[in-house]
Amino acid sequence: SQQGEEDPQALSIQEGENATMNCSYKTSINNLQWYRQNSGRGLVHLILIRSNEREKHSGRLRVTLDTSKKSSSLLITASRAADTASYFCAPVGSSNTGKLIFGQGTTLQVKP
Amino acid sequence: EPEVTQTPSHQVTQMGQEVILRCVPISNHLYFYWYRQILGQKVEFLVSFYNNEISEKSEIFDDQFSVERPDGSNFTLKIRSTKLEDSAMYFCASNIAGGGETQYFGPGTRLLVL
Repeated sequence: SQQGEEDPQALSIQEGENATMNCSYKTSINNLQWYRQNSGRGLVHLILIRSNEREKHSGRLRVTLDTSKKSSSLLITASRAADTASYFCAPVGSSNTGKLIFGQGTTLQVKP
Repeated sequence: EPEVTQTPSHQVTQMGQEVILRCVPISNHLYFYWYRQILGQKVEFLVSFYNNEISEKSEIFDDQFSVERPDGSNFTLKIRSTKLEDSAMYFCASNIAGGGETQYFGPGTRLLVL
């Protein structure tokens, strides 16, 4: 397993704006997962994108994956105050045993 | 929608005491995990468990820690003799297919060791 590095570390936007956060990783992957954590709460799975996929949508979320650049991005469109949370990526290699390794994440603040 | 549940939500204990944190994974899941998050730090993997055996454990998961699936529904994490540095949020997670697929996390148990 490997750790993803999220960028930026912190992001502050107004409600209604779009938020983009990025994830970079080092070695080849089987899939990459994005999770959200509201303050003091458990992680909530958002999207899993596999290595043969380039883009995936779920509601207001859009995830892209560029395996040649070893990077992924998470776009939240028309953000809401309730989107305020920390967002983490978890790259999963082909030999993964189930362990997820999380970085520091991107802390998103959406101001009403 | 099925959820992972954890009890208690908060636990305060004295250093040196044993604690047991309980989790009820989603009923048809076969793979179980514990993670912890010290305040202000990253979520860290502790252990994975499948078919009544530990599949993998981290360096954090030393002899003071143990896991058990005592029946068909519960999954427990025991810390034998707690230390101050064990104070953290402990998260249980489960999934149906293991091997890097989506994990479903519980809300966590906040453990404070005094």
